[in-house]
Amino acid sequence: DAGVIQSPRHEVTEMGQEVTLRCKPISGHNSLFWYRQTMMRGLELLIYFNNNVPIDDSGMPEDRFSAKMPNASFSTLKIQPSEPRDSAVYFCASSLGQGASPLHFGNGTRLTVT
Amino acid sequence: QKEVEQNSGPLSVPEGAIASLNCTYSDRGSQSFFWYRQYSGKSPELIMFIYSNGDKEDGRFTAQLNKASQYVSLLIRDSQPSDSATYLCAVGNAGNMLTFGGGTRLMVKP
Repeated sequence: DAGVIQSPRHEVTEMGQEVTLRCKPISGHNSLFWYRQTMMRGLELLIYFNNNVPIDDSGMPEDRFSAKMPNASFSTLKIQPSEPRDSAVYFCASSLGQGASPLHFGNGTRLTVT
Repeated sequence: QKEVEQNSGPLSVPEGAIASLNCTYSDRGSQSFFWYRQYSGKSPELIMFIYSNGDKEDGRFTAQLNKASQYVSLLIRDSQPSDSATYLCAVGNAGNMLTFGGGTRLMVKP
């Protein structure tokens, strides 16, 4: 089992640029989550997909953030335009989605916006 | 008001001692409870989960749940320096969503 795969591991970009983060969940998992982690705010849920359908996006900070899951094996989180306050570690996680199943996290993408 | 509360620490214990990590939650409808360990610069990894009141043991780890008090704890016996990390409490609702606490930093001193 390859686990949850995220890319890139690190991203440095200038304010105003578009950023796209990618995630491949564990095969067979039907729930996918995007989290953001900062020292100040901890681990925050941004959006949650079940069977490729967005279920809850109330954690998405604003319209600059968007997420898609075109199929069961791929999801993207896009920030356009990026701002320095978006600097954080972004984690993707997946689960079997049966009840409150344990989450399995990817290695994260460390985003720095200058 | 944060829904899942943890003392940020650091909690410092000597090697070989019992480390006790605590977590309270606000949603009485919560159904599942998880403890994750996160080393600096790494992603959270699952240690334990518990669904029913009482204790659940796995090796050196024991999770304790008291739904009436809305309290969940993690005990680490025979603490080792390699246990030094941040421990995240996560609480799940029926909708398969987890809310994480801010984490407690544990330091085990040799």
